[in-house]
Amino acid sequence: EAGVAQSPRYKIIEKRQSVAFWCNPISGHATLYWYQQILGQGPKLLIQFQNNGVVDDSQLPKDRFSAERLKGVDSTLKIQPAKLEDSAVYLCASSLGTVDTGELFFGEGSRLTVL
Amino acid sequence: GDSVTQMEGPVTLSEEAFLTINCTYTATGYPSLFWYVQYPGEGLQLLLKATKADDKGSNKGFEATYRKETTSFHLEKGSVQVSDSAVYFCALSDRGRGQKLVFGQGTRLTINP
Repeated sequence: EAGVAQSPRYKIIEKRQSVAFWCNPISGHATLYWYQQILGQGPKLLIQFQNNGVVDDSQLPKDRFSAERLKGVDSTLKIQPAKLEDSAVYLCASSLGTVDTGELFFGEGSRLTVL
Repeated sequence: GDSVTQMEGPVTLSEEAFLTINCTYTATGYPSLFWYVQYPGEGLQLLLKATKADDKGSNKGFEATYRKETTSFHLEKGSVQVSDSAVYFCALSDRGRGQKLVFGQGTRLTINP
């Protein structure tokens, strides 16, 4: 079974530039998550989708971050304009979404460095 | 809000040593508890879980018991191997709030041969 795919794996940009990350979840998984993991910290949820609807985006900095889930499958997370403090690994995860077991399947992440 | 506090790292042990990584939590409801592991160059993966008080989760020789009275979920292994070197994250999911996971800060474990 294919896992969660993310791209790009690494991205270096200057502050005020824009960047986009892409995620393809495990086939059939209704729920998709984007987490931000700053060095030395645990992952923090940015946004959660159930199919193509947003369930929770309370910690998404909406003035600069946006995310969409196309047709309830792939998702894109965009940052515009980027700030130095956005340097982090952006993790995408997916789950079946019907049972509250918390078993999420994570991609390898996209590492962003903002200079 | 919900939170998870983990033992400060990094932790360095010799092979075959006994491991404990402490984890305590704060939650308003009745959470499920998890340990996730991140091996070098890989994504986070579920190591074990427990969904109610006194449950014991176990996998790959690791164990953790859900202690409601002490709000803890400490990770233990009797004899660690070099291949256990990784970052370990304790997490909770509060029932009724979907599958949103709240993570601790992670504990880096290094096992020396």
